[in-house]
Amino acid sequence: SQKIEQNSEALNIQEGKTATLTCNYTNYSPAYLQWYRQDPGRGPVFLLLIRENEKEKRKERLKVTFDTTLKQSLFHITASQPADSATYLCALDIRTGRRALTFGSGTRLQVQP
Amino acid sequence: SQTIHQWPATLVQPVGSPLSLECTVEGTSNPNLYWYRQAAGRGLQLLFYSVGIGQISSEVPQNLSASRPQDRQFILSSKKLLLSDSGFYLCAWSVLLRNTEAFFGQGTRLTVV
Repeated sequence: SQKIEQNSEALNIQEGKTATLTCNYTNYSPAYLQWYRQDPGRGPVFLLLIRENEKEKRKERLKVTFDTTLKQSLFHITASQPADSATYLCALDIRTGRRALTFGSGTRLQVQP
Repeated sequence: SQTIHQWPATLVQPVGSPLSLECTVEGTSNPNLYWYRQAAGRGLQLLFYSVGIGQISSEVPQNLSASRPQDRQFILSSKKLLLSDSGFYLCAWSVLLRNTEAFFGQGTRLTVV
């Protein structure tokens, strides 16, 4: 079956450390992969998009990698801050002709001061 | 700039009552429009998407329906709510034919009692 899995429901790290979140998928060949941030009671907010022919994408303290052989994306937040605490969702375009994203269940990141 | 409005923010409805959630987008034309539902601690489940007026695609059999009476208006409805319809409902839009990032509304927390 087709699945998108994010590494854990929750991740706790100390302020200043690098947070690494994982998104694994099976049986898809996505054209691109996206990462979103969601705060409690709010809608997700787009962070980064990486295409299948890109290995890495950066934006300020954020870095995303995309390995289509491993079917995995890693999302890094360097020099993490308590304000980075949120749930992070990965999303794929699964190329079925359906013009909608398929989302993982998310990883809740807690950055401790 | 583009904005998306979704209302109401919270709603408590009795079982068997009707439902109407409305979403409007400003500042863009011919958007893809989406309704997602998010159960507590879970990812986003796509309910409906639309690529044009009157064009609705349903993802899962359910007690809900959607309509797009105008280009930038998307409505989620039910004739009779079930307890299982409780959840966090999110409207979103993306640029037509580009399948890039999705922009979400603030969501509606629906509790069916």
